[in-house]
Amino acid sequence: AQKITQTQPGMFVQEKEAVTLDCTYDTSDPSYGLFWYKQPSSGEMIFLIYQGSYDQQNATEGRYSLNFQKARKSANLVISASQLGDSAMYFCAMRGGTGANSKLTFGKGITLSVRP
Amino acid sequence: DGGITQSPKYLFRKEGQNVTLSCEQNLNHDAMYWYRQDPGQGLRLIYYSQIVNDFQKGDIAEGYSVSREKKESFPLTVTSAQKNPTAFYLCASSIGKPGALAETQYFGPGTRLLVL
Repeated sequence: AQKITQTQPGMFVQEKEAVTLDCTYDTSDPSYGLFWYKQPSSGEMIFLIYQGSYDQQNATEGRYSLNFQKARKSANLVISASQLGDSAMYFCAMRGGTGANSKLTFGKGITLSVRP
Repeated sequence: DGGITQSPKYLFRKEGQNVTLSCEQNLNHDAMYWYRQDPGQGLRLIYYSQIVNDFQKGDIAEGYSVSREKKESFPLTVTSAQKNPTAFYLCASSIGKPGALAETQYFGPGTRLLVL
């Protein structure tokens, strides 16, 4: 079974500063993938970044980077130079490599509020 | 433009009534998914389909039914057996390559279901 834990109740960051959103995971799969999604108040889930368990380097996509620490089973999202439009819910998710399906397991999410 | 559409945006259900949520995609994806999101919670998988005329139960399938007669369409019916249907429902799709860990799921804008 796979489990994603996001325990930060809510995060606040000043505009233009960096912020880290925590995600820990648990799986018995030797290979797996980790995802981060953003959900603004409109409700749609927007894909941000992906990290594979065997990737040698931490993933980066523009202002988003993933601080992947495999031994600690953590995959924290770092947002640099926060913008007001970054205010949203952020979800960490994972997919294990044991089957032919492609189901994702999601955490409960973290609310980020960017202050002007 | 390619994407996923869900309709209606808001849906009201009376006690004992079945309602159907629409999901259409023009991304030529094989796999489609239905998730339920409750306030302050992550996404939970209801049903998924990896190919036309085939679908599997997710983690919370009781009280729901689906069909996959066309590649583009994956409607979800919330039956009267679902005793607590008030939630936000998200449809997603992906290419559907088995075992592809990095495969991204793309989401529609969601349907909010309320019980009268």
